[in-house]
Amino acid sequence: DARVTQTPRDKVTEMGQEVTMRCQPILGHNTVFWYRQTMMQGLELLAYFRNRAPLDDSGMPKDRFSAEMPDATLATLKIQPSEPRDSAVYFCASGPGRDPQETQYFGPGTRLLVL
Amino acid sequence: EDQVTQSPEALRLQEGESSSLNCSYTVSGLRGLFWYRQDPGKGPEFLFTLYSAGEEKEKERLKATLTKKESFLHITAPKPEDSATYLCAVQTVSYNTDKLIFGTGTRLQVFP
Repeated sequence: DARVTQTPRDKVTEMGQEVTMRCQPILGHNTVFWYRQTMMQGLELLAYFRNRAPLDDSGMPKDRFSAEMPDATLATLKIQPSEPRDSAVYFCASGPGRDPQETQYFGPGTRLLVL
Repeated sequence: EDQVTQSPEALRLQEGESSSLNCSYTVSGLRGLFWYRQDPGKGPEFLFTLYSAGEEKEKERLKATLTKKESFLHITAPKPEDSATYLCAVQTVSYNTDKLIFGTGTRLQVFP
């Protein structure tokens, strides 16, 4: 049963600390997405990769957030320095990249609390 | 601006009481409309993709339909295990990417 995996599942940190979230996409999927979910804003796209190349990071605060794909099996989202307003659930999703429409499969999320 | 609106925000049903959830969208061009189910503490789980007006898809007690302005998720004779938040999302031609724009969801509770 192929699934997207994310680590850690929960993270509590203090303001100013660096936070790194990791995602392993489904084997064979060539698109990876990072979303943030809050009660107020719902699900928002932060960054999007195809074949490890960043295609859209317009939803991501550039001054403190960075997203990378070191290889096809790992995507990372870093926040440095973290702030209380970054508290949210961060989801990674992957897709097979078949045009014109593509289904995205979500991981279980990383719940981040910044104190 | 592309926009997705879901209604109602919350819905309480008695077991067996059929109902519909609405997803209305305003987009420059629709590439696909997606329905997801999300349980508390979990990631969204894919249910359906609809591509063109008039299309319908079914899965167990769920049936999704699509018009040019909205989609409905019909729930027939729901059971307590159908309780979840149902999310609607669209892909549009304006971005020319696989970006999904999500609605805020309908929280469904089914009581025995």
